[in-house]
Amino acid sequence: QQQVKQSPQSLIVQKGGISIINCAYENTAFDYFPWYQQFPGKGPALLIAIRPDVSEKKEGRFTISFNKSAKQFSLHIMDSQPGDSATYFCAATLTGANNLFFGTGTRLTVIP
Amino acid sequence: DGGITQSPKYLFRKEGQNVTLSCEQNLNHDAMYWYRQDPGQGLRLIYYSQIVNDFQKGDIAEGYSVSREKKESFPLTVTSAQKNPTAFYLCASSISGTGSAEAFFGQGTRLTVV
Repeated sequence: QQQVKQSPQSLIVQKGGISIINCAYENTAFDYFPWYQQFPGKGPALLIAIRPDVSEKKEGRFTISFNKSAKQFSLHIMDSQPGDSATYFCAATLTGANNLFFGTGTRLTVIP
Repeated sequence: DGGITQSPKYLFRKEGQNVTLSCEQNLNHDAMYWYRQDPGQGLRLIYYSQIVNDFQKGDIAEGYSVSREKKESFPLTVTSAQKNPTAFYLCASSISGTGSAEAFFGQGTRLTVV
């Protein structure tokens, strides 16, 4: 059973456009929602994370929007660049747990 | 430089053989993890360890074994009992075992059964 559902599976965006990746979760006990970025042949790296006490968090061109009532959160990449081309994973967990529950990943391609 | 080192980067195994993947960290992290990554399935937890000489099974532990004799090292053995071992294996560590601590990943080992 997939604890975190992620869409779309792949995404193609023009340079300068907005990339949007969506995730949904079921476990209302989750209280930490990170996004990881993975380049081909590399391990994932933490990009940005949010806790459910805020509805939005922004770091540079990357923004997480969080909707607690809908149990959904999304990653927005503003002014997308070719260097942003990577696979993005959302994840969820709860304090005290020993596992991150990952989404299935979104392969983003930004066309110059 | 602090980080996590996985070796080898590529590994080929014949059917019926056991192989061991290495994972070393110099971040002084207590918790270490092994994930398996398959296309379209995200990352799935194989084993994790919160402290030396202790480890717990994750969601897909069958056919795998681990040891944690040193804080810095968490090797994963893929045994012949693992029916579909071809995958990308990722080792990670975090300051503590709580799921909300940032996980730092290694570069991965791609295992192929030939």
